[in-house]
Amino acid sequence: AQKITQTQPGMFVQEKEAVTLDCTYDTSDQSYGLFWYKQPSSGEMIFLIYQGSYDEQNATEGRYSLNFQKARKSANLVISASQLGDSAMYFCAMREDSGGYNKLIFGAGTRLAVHP
Amino acid sequence: SAVISQKPSRDICQRGTSLTIQCQVDSQVTMMFWYRQQPGQSLTLIATANQGSEATYESGFVIDKFPISRPNLTFSTLTVSNMSPEDSSIYLCSVADHSAGNTIYFGEGSWLTVV
Repeated sequence: AQKITQTQPGMFVQEKEAVTLDCTYDTSDQSYGLFWYKQPSSGEMIFLIYQGSYDEQNATEGRYSLNFQKARKSANLVISASQLGDSAMYFCAMREDSGGYNKLIFGAGTRLAVHP
Repeated sequence: SAVISQKPSRDICQRGTSLTIQCQVDSQVTMMFWYRQQPGQSLTLIATANQGSEATYESGFVIDKFPISRPNLTFSTLTVSNMSPEDSSIYLCSVADHSAGNTIYFGEGSWLTVV
């Protein structure tokens, strides 16, 4: 069965430092996608970054990068130069591409606190 | 990226009543998805809304409790029926944006509190 595991319920980081949020996944599919979302206290889900299973390069979007290690089935999110506004819940999610569907399976989330 | 609007953003509902949540997308999409996020929990898929056919429900969710409409390719509604306090959650609509490599975007969410 497909599964996403985020082992860090909470993390904190000093402003301007980098932080890594862990995500491991389990799937038997060869084709899949991995997403990271940020959820501030307002409740909206903000798309951050995407990595396809066949992408050879790690995805980057501004201060966000995804450390994709396919053999280890991990897709960790790295946030560089943390800002106070980065304080939020972060969810890792997986989409299995077989069957043409776009539904996501989510991890439990990691709450990040950025300290000044 | 697709722009998704949900209404209402928040509501307080009496138990036993029903509430309909609307989801509007600024472009045509094949599938729309409805998720529930209970307090302190992660997101769980309720159902996939297909235009022109019945919605596909995930295990643990039934049409009588969560009827869904999908009248066209840009709009869907989710009704939460006969609400109880356990239905207090954020309900989120999402779509896959085919113009953006099938990136999946979410609406702002609808916070429901059942009293």
